[in-house]
Amino acid sequence: TQLLEQSPQFLSIQEGENLTVYCNSSSVFSSLQWYRQEPGEGPVLLVTVVTGGEVKKLKRLTFQFGDARKDSSLHITAAQPGDTGLYLCAVLQAGTALIFGKGTTLSVSS
Amino acid sequence: NAGVTQTPKFQVLKTGQSMTLQCAQDMNHEYMSWYRQDPGMGLRLIHYSVGAGITDQGEVPNGYNVSRSTTEDFPLRLLSAAPSQTSVYFCASSYARASPLHFGNGTRLTVT
Repeated sequence: TQLLEQSPQFLSIQEGENLTVYCNSSSVFSSLQWYRQEPGEGPVLLVTVVTGGEVKKLKRLTFQFGDARKDSSLHITAAQPGDTGLYLCAVLQAGTALIFGKGTTLSVSS
Repeated sequence: NAGVTQTPKFQVLKTGQSMTLQCAQDMNHEYMSWYRQDPGMGLRLIHYSVGAGITDQGEVPNGYNVSRSTTEDFPLRLLSAAPSQTSVYFCASSYARASPLHFGNGTRLTVT
């Protein structure tokens, strides 16, 4: 059973469009992290959300943690080609380590 | 500031060969981990360590060994390579178990 479900798996859009990707679980978490990975590189942390209902903004990226701390969303406004990459969410699995979802591959064309 | 350094960047092995993937960090992080990344599978945890001398298994540990003799180094050993171990391997470190991870740039391994 996959701890984290990310959707959609793939997303291909034009520059300037808005989009939302999701990270869902049936479990409650104390925090959730979002990473972006570009081809040939390791993932890089974008943000950590901790409080239920929390909203964090990083330039054109808006992250929200669900009220029940079971899910999260990432909204990108006016997407640019530089936003292209694999977006991963991750949570601490009890007793072990950070576990990742399968990711959303975003392609933004100009 | 080097961060997390992985070597080699690319490696081709024949089935049955053994090798060690090297990982070193210079941030004095206690926590280190190894993940493998396969198309459509995200990152899957192989082994992790919460400090020197302490290691534990992750989601997919079979066929891999680790040791942590120093805070800086966390090598991953493939005992007898199999084609199913063809993947991209990432090493990561963090200040604590739940802290954000710092990743290396990966080792792309092909087993024929």
